[in-house]
Amino acid sequence: GAGVSQSPRYKVTKRGQDVALRCDPISGHVSLYWYRQALGQGPEFLTYFNYEAQQDKSGLPNDRFSAERPEGSISTLTIQRTEQRDSAMYRCASSPDRGMHEQYFGPGTRLTVT
Amino acid sequence: DAKTTQPPSMDCAEGRAANLPCNHSTISGNEYVYWYRQIHSQGPQYIIHGLKNNETNEMASLIITEDRKSSTLILPHATLRDTAVYYCIVRGSGTSYDKVIFGPGTSLSVIP
Repeated sequence: GAGVSQSPRYKVTKRGQDVALRCDPISGHVSLYWYRQALGQGPEFLTYFNYEAQQDKSGLPNDRFSAERPEGSISTLTIQRTEQRDSAMYRCASSPDRGMHEQYFGPGTRLTVT
Repeated sequence: DAKTTQPPSMDCAEGRAANLPCNHSTISGNEYVYWYRQIHSQGPQYIIHGLKNNETNEMASLIITEDRKSSTLILPHATLRDTAVYYCIVRGSGTSYDKVIFGPGTSLSVIP
């Protein structure tokens, strides 16, 4: 079956622009997670949802970052007024139910801010 | 911060068992140990998890010490395709129930 998909796969943007990264979880999965990964490091937790409710956003670096999952399925991570330090791989994962940590990861979106 | 410590890198000869250690000395009674791996630039892949009993699946075995302060992931017959970064994770508890914190992991190189 279809896995987690993310779009776009690559995004190059100029400093100061807003970007929206999309995640399509596996159908029926309750939990959805966003991570950011720098080269050579493990994924860094950003935020997660159970259904449409954002449960924890403590990992979002600052108020330029926001995420939503309005219908409990597709999620969007938005970065406003991008900065060069925002350049990274952004990964989304979904899980069948809360508390289950068999997370299924998408291919990621490589964001480059010039 | 990650609640686990792992060696930054390890080598293993192809066909031999790869034993990857993980220390989680502050683990609490209801926290599970999870292992993921990440091959090159792909997304992390779930391997196995356990609470206090040893676990085995088609990918690996997980040995957890009796005091639960450490564990070992065993790949019984390592192949070149097992070259990856392996992450040992302790699931958050309380208000961080669903939060997953990845550390830097162990970079395993399987050598021909």
